[in-house]
Amino acid sequence: EIVMTQSPATLSVSPGERATLSCRASQSVSSNLAWYQQKPGQAPRLLIYGASTRATGIPARFSGSGSGTEFTLTISSLQSEDFAVYYCQQYNNWYTFGQGTKLEIK
Amino acid sequence: QVQLQESGPGLVKPSETLSLTCTVSGGSISSYYWSWIRQPAGKGLEWLGRISASGSTSYNPSLKSRVTLSVDTSKNQFSLKLSSVTAADTALYYCARNPYAPGWFDPWGQGTLVTVSS
Repeated sequence: EIVMTQSPATLSVSPGERATLSCRASQSVSSNLAWYQQKPGQAPRLLIYGASTRATGIPARFSGSGSGTEFTLTISSLQSEDFAVYYCQQYNNWYTFGQGTKLEIK
Repeated sequence: QVQLQESGPGLVKPSETLSLTCTVSGGSISSYYWSWIRQPAGKGLEWLGRISASGSTSYNPSLKSRVTLSVDTSKNQFSLKLSSVTAADTALYYCARNPYAPGWFDPWGQGTLVTVSS
């Protein structure tokens, strides 16, 4: 099983600032990586697939990068609605998720 | 746009079988893959299994012996059965679409809480 490790567990950032979230795979997943946003009481929402392709309707302030075992989700200028939990997920070998990063208001 | 809705009992007794159905609306169940994912309270996400419209299945190896997926294309539905449940199976259960296999999950249903308790 490919283990996905996200860091940090919690990230405190002020609105308007940049947030950088990391995801590491225990072995290469090529570019077969997705990112999701989950708000309380809601299902996860797809943000990024193929490591760097934004899903339909996702604002340009969200960007993904990386390949192999190291990946990054960047939110360029945080809006109030961006504070949530973010998960990475690999689909190179079945499906596994990271444990999540909680993005909170500083 | 495609929407998914989970349904089924919210309470299941230990050792019994959990059964859930996902109804797909706004689009056909054909030509895609469909998955079940669960999330225990306050914890992360675990993929349970995937089924195609033709009935081809793949399961999480850690749960393979207990999970069964089925599909009913006439009703635009697919279903999950999880046998011999314990308290550890208490979770929010989501259904989701795989645009292609393996692929990512989009969209997701709103989720349904299943509690295992006597």
